[in-house]
Amino acid sequence: KAGVTQTPRYLIKTRGQQVTLSCSPISGHRSVSWYQQTPGQGLQFLFEYFSETQRNKGNFPGRFSGRQFSNSRSEMNVSTLELGDSALYLCASYTSGGSFETQYFGPGTRLLVL
Amino acid sequence: QKEVEQNSGPLSVPEGAIASLNCTYSDRGSQSFFWYRQYSGKSPELIMSIYSNGDKEDGRFTAQLNKASQYVSLLIRDSQPSDSATYLCAVRYSSASKIIFGSGTRLSIRP
Repeated sequence: KAGVTQTPRYLIKTRGQQVTLSCSPISGHRSVSWYQQTPGQGLQFLFEYFSETQRNKGNFPGRFSGRQFSNSRSEMNVSTLELGDSALYLCASYTSGGSFETQYFGPGTRLLVL
Repeated sequence: QKEVEQNSGPLSVPEGAIASLNCTYSDRGSQSFFWYRQYSGKSPELIMSIYSNGDKEDGRFTAQLNKASQYVSLLIRDSQPSDSATYLCAVRYSSASKIIFGSGTRLSIRP
């Protein structure tokens, strides 16, 4: 099976711009989560989607939004970028069944805001 | 208050020894527990998941869960330099809740 894929891998933007990141989960996985990782804050949960519905949301401002499509692919959008949004954005797809569950991460999108 | 706590390290262990990584969590009803390894500049990769009290072994790795004491640990036997990485503990309360990560423990295996 192909792993989780994220595009683009690297991105440079300037303050005030907006950005859209894409994530394709592992085939058959219906849940996608997004995380922001920075050296200072570690891995912080942004949101989780399951079957096109946002199931959980982290403590991020409304500038951060996301969606999931019927094929489970997900996008996240950050509007009005700030310098502090520079981070590695990780997407993870998740599956569970009975007592089994697992979450696999994609390679991430490294965003630099200038 | 952080929900998942880990010692940030660095934890330095000689090659061939046992590395012991610990994690505590605050939500007593948590059901699923995970250990991830993250090399510098890479994304986290799942090492182990554990759901029931006791030990779970996979190769050189053993996860231990004690729900009464609210801690989960990871033992790495016969530590190798390639085990040098940051180890992230993650906890999920239920199948519909978000996964919460600890801040990670940096492990260094010295030759």
